[in-house]
Parts: sequence; C-alpha cells; structure tokens
Amino acid sequence: EDQVTQSPEALRLQEGESSSLNCSYTVSGLRGLFWYRQDPGKGPEFLFTLYSAGEEKEKERLKATLTKKESFLHITAPKPEDSATYLCAVRAGNNRKLIWGLGTSLAVNP
Amino acid sequence: EAGVAQSPRYKIIEKRQSVAFWCNPISGHATLYWYQQILGQGPKLLIQFQNNGVVDDSQLPKDRFSAERLKGVDSTLKIQPAKLEDSAVYLCASSPGLASQQFFGPGTRLTVL
Repeated sequence: EDQVTQSPEALRLQEGESSSLNCSYTVSGLRGLFWYRQDPGKGPEFLFTLYSAGEEKEKERLKATLTKKESFLHITAPKPEDSATYLCAVRAGNNRKLIWGLGTSLAVNP
Repeated sequence: EAGVAQSPRYKIIEKRQSVAFWCNPISGHATLYWYQQILGQGPKLLIQFQNNGVVDDSQLPKDRFSAERLKGVDSTLKIQPAKLEDSAVYLCASSPGLASQQFFGPGTRLTVL
C-alpha cells in the first residue's frame, strides 16, 4: 500500500539552529514528491516539487532533496517566521491523487 | 494573479443540518479539488474535477456529501445532513492540469455541534 510518513511530528528550534525534516515514502512508481507549508488558519502553500533521486531545490533558507526512499527538507539558520506545519505529498504510478503525510509542526523560537 | 477563493471562512451548525461551501479556482485552472483536513492530519481528497467532469470521488461519503462544478469554473460542496465527525477544515485547490502542482484556498472551518 502506498504510504507517506513524516518525522518528527513536532520540532522546536532556536533561531539560527539548522535542522532537517524527513518524508519517507513507499510507493510504486514515484511521479513527484511535493513539499507544502501550512500556516495556522490557512491553506497549504506550495514550496517544491521533486521528481527523481538526486534532485535538489532551494528557496531562501529551505533546501529539499530526494532519494529513492525519502526526501529531506533542510532548514538553514531558521527564523521565527519559518514556524509552520510542513506537509509532504507524493503522486505515484498512474494515480493522479496525492498521498499526504501528517506533517511536521515546526516552531522556531527567537 | 488572484488565488483560490472560498466562502464562508467559518461555519457553525448543529448536527443533522445542511451546509454548503463555495470555491472559485484560479482563472484558467481546469482541475479543481475538494479536501477535508482534520486537525493534526494531512488533507484527505474528497473529490476531484477536470473541467466539469468528476475524475475521482472514491473517498466522498456520497450518502451525505455532494459536489458540483457547473460550467467548469466555480464549485460547491454540500453536506446534508451533517454529523459531528464532519467538523474539519474544507480546502479547495486548483491546478492547471491533472499532474500539476496544486494551489490552495484559505479553507472553510466547519464546526458541527
């Protein structure tokens, strides 16, 4: 069964303390892995799409990487405004539907 | 570029009542999605439209939920009658095509008492 697991469930960092969020997946035929950011009371906001192992994408303090089993979202020198829930989703095989993880709730303290 | 619009933003109803949500996608986006998101969970797809046709409604509780997308633009999602477990945020998203990234609206927070 296709599955997406995110870890940790929650992460608290001090401002400037770099870390990584993990998204592991077991799907048949990856057709794209998506990272979204969700602030309280808002809909998810698209961050990155990764399609093949070895691919990397960056945006400001965020860098997403992909292997054959997992993706990492690296946060370098985070700021309080990076506090949010980060969601990972995958599209697999011929299935047009996204399979979502439960998210990682990130809090960055000043 | 205007984003995905949803209304209302909040709704409180009693169980067994009916409720309807409205979504206006980004102009030109052919694909429209309705998701249910329970607190602490990822979004769960309820129904997906391609233009005004249904692509996937396998997780839509059809005995109480219905959705339509007349003219392939706006969409409405209805719940009738509502149950306590329907309390959630209902998200609408749109994308240019079936395999494209999705753009989400702000959601409607439904509380069923």
